Amino acid sequence: AQSVTQPDIHITVSEGASLELRCNYSYGATPYLFWYVQSPGQGLQLLLKYFSGDTLVQGIKGFEAEFKRSQSSFNLRKPSVHWSDAAEYFCAVDSGGSNYKLTFGKGTLLTVNP
Amino acid sequence: ETGVTQSPTHLIKTRGQQVTLRCSSQSGHNTVSWYQQALGQGPQFIFQYYREEENGRGNFPPRFSGLQFPNYSSELNVNALELDDSALYLCASSLGTESNQPQHFGDGTRLSIL
Repeated sequence: AQSVTQPDIHITVSEGASLELRCNYSYGATPYLFWYVQSPGQGLQLLLKYFSGDTLVQGIKGFEAEFKRSQSSFNLRKPSVHWSDAAEYFCAVDSGGSNYKLTFGKGTLLTVNP
Repeated sequence: ETGVTQSPTHLIKTRGQQVTLRCSSQSGHNTVSWYQQALGQGPQFIFQYYREEENGRGNFPPRFSGLQFPNYSSELNVNALELDDSALYLCASSLGTESNQPQHFGDGTRLSIL
C-alpha cells in the first residue's frame, strides 16, 4: 500500500528565510504527488502537483517542489517565507487510475517568526 | 464560480447517535470524495462518489455511508457514533475521477462526539 512520511512535525523559520519541507513516499511505480496547505479552521488548498515530465514543479504562492525518484522524495521549497505562509502543509500521493484517492502524510506545521 | 461548501460548520453529538453531513460540489464537478481528519493527523480517505455511484472506499466500517444526488451534491452518514469519530470531515469535488483532475476541498465540518 502507498504511504507518505513527513518527518518534521513542526518547523519554525524567520520571515524572509528559505524553507524546505520534506516528504517521502512509498509506492511501487511513479505516483502522482501533491502538496496542500491548510490554514486554521479551513480546508485544504492545492499548492502544486507532479504527474510526469519536469521533476521541478512550480506552484502558487511562490512554492516549488522537486521530485527525486532515487530518494522517493518530493520536497517543498520556498526561497523567502512570508508571515502569511504560517499554516500546516500536507504531502499526498495518488496511485492514479480510475479510483482516485489521496493518501496524506501527517503534516508539517510551519511557524514563521517576525 | 462557487466553491465547495459544507454544512454544518460544527456539530456536537453523543455516542450512539446518527449524523448527516452535507456537501455541495463546485460548479461542474461530478465527483465527490470524503475524508476524515482526526486532530493532529492528515486526512484519511473515506469514499468517493461519481455520478451517484460509490467509486472506491477506504478502510472505514459500513456505518459510514454516503449518497450523491443528481446535482452532484453529496451526504455522508455515520451511524452509531463513537468517540473516535470526533474529527474534521472534509469534502472534495473534482471533474472526473482521474488523478489529473485536482480535488477542491471545502472548509469541513467539525464533528465532536461527547
